Amino acid sequence: DSGVTQTPKHLITATGQRVTLRCSPRSGDLSVYWYQQSLDQGLQFLIQYYNGEERAKGNILERFSAQQFPDLHSELNLSSLELGDSALYFCASTPFEGQGVYGYTFGSGTRLTVV
Amino acid sequence: SQKIEQNSEALNIQEGKTATLTCNYTNYSPAYLQWYRQDPGRGPVFLLLIRENEKEKRKERLKVTFDTTLKQSLFHITASQPADSATYLCALEGADGLTFGKGTHLIIQP
Repeated sequence: DSGVTQTPKHLITATGQRVTLRCSPRSGDLSVYWYQQSLDQGLQFLIQYYNGEERAKGNILERFSAQQFPDLHSELNLSSLELGDSALYFCASTPFEGQGVYGYTFGSGTRLTVV
Repeated sequence: SQKIEQNSEALNIQEGKTATLTCNYTNYSPAYLQWYRQDPGRGPVFLLLIRENEKEKRKERLKVTFDTTLKQSLFHITASQPADSATYLCALEGADGLTFGKGTHLIIQP
């Protein structure tokens, strides 16, 4: 157990639908990062939050949004789902704001299947 | 554009030998480079971080080197074991956050 909790572990939904993925960071960590991993693309950085504020944005589609709440848990919202959104979605956390300075602690991921 | 390249072909190594994985990068000037291990269907696990002013870093059977002139990092596992079989990812801080290579799949044959 890494200390980063992601729910649900698996999600199957239809095209056009909207889903919410949830992440609780490791205790004491203030930064949360979201990544998407598909077979052909590898791990792709989506977005980072630090202490409730957006800090960095990667290749995140406009159909996707995220937020970090006062208790530091984060949610990734995916809407108007397409078949190509099927992937593993990982959340990671670090103690502070800087990227690359600390090793990331990853959760076990949410496997999203869009049918 | 920024690129991180790792050998996409699986690397087969006999148990007990040293496995060496390569990470090359272009258009980065990283202050840090990280290595992770990922097992199928699981999240990556952080292994080592090396800074630009460090030539080498060790942790148990793992050794990482970082050559900013060659723009290359080497990751070594000595006395390899079948349990070391996994995909190993290198990662750099880039324009789009911490960016990962696609990883090298390592298979340790008993």
